[in-house]
Amino acid sequence: EAGVAQSPRYKIIEKRQSVAFWCNPISGHATLYWYQQILGQGPKLLIQFQNNGVVDDSQLPKDRFSAERLKGVDSTLKIQPAKLEDSAVYLCASSPRGTSTEAFFGQGTRLTVV
Amino acid sequence: DAKTTQPPSMDCAEGRAANLPCNHSTISGNEYVYWYRQIHSQGPQYIIHGLKNNETNEMASLIITEDRKSSTLILPHATLRDTAVYYCIVRVPYEQTSGSRLTFGEGTQLTVNP
Repeated sequence: EAGVAQSPRYKIIEKRQSVAFWCNPISGHATLYWYQQILGQGPKLLIQFQNNGVVDDSQLPKDRFSAERLKGVDSTLKIQPAKLEDSAVYLCASSPRGTSTEAFFGQGTRLTVV
Repeated sequence: DAKTTQPPSMDCAEGRAANLPCNHSTISGNEYVYWYRQIHSQGPQYIIHGLKNNETNEMASLIITEDRKSSTLILPHATLRDTAVYYCIVRVPYEQTSGSRLTFGEGTQLTVNP
């Protein structure tokens, strides 16, 4: 079974530039998560989709971050404009629908803002 | 959201059992206890979860106290490859959807020594 695919693996941009990350979840998984993990901290949930609908974006900085999940499959996370404090690993995860199910994580995209 | 408390770090000798504690004293009756681990530079990996009963799989055992206010993850024969950050998570079910939030804390850094 193919896992959660993310790209790019690494990205370096200057502050005030824009950047986008892509995630392809495991086939058939209804739930998709985007997490931000700053060095030395646990992952922080940014947004959660159920199919193509948003169920939780309470911790997404909406003035600069946006995310979409077209057709309930792939998802993109965008930052515009980036700040130095956005330097982090951005993790995508997916899980089948339901409460008592595990989430499968991708390798993440390491973003460095200089 | 129910919060969890874990020791920041633990050491274990290779081949011995690693017992990782977690306190979740405010857990609700319908909330599950999940354990994930994150090996350096990788995305988190699901280990095990439970509601009330003790659980065992090929990776670990989960012991949940009768009052459900704490749990212990047991790695029966730790190897060097088990060195990772271990996260204890109480999964909060959404009230209005079938999705549920997966909120990570700071976790326990387990170091397995040769």
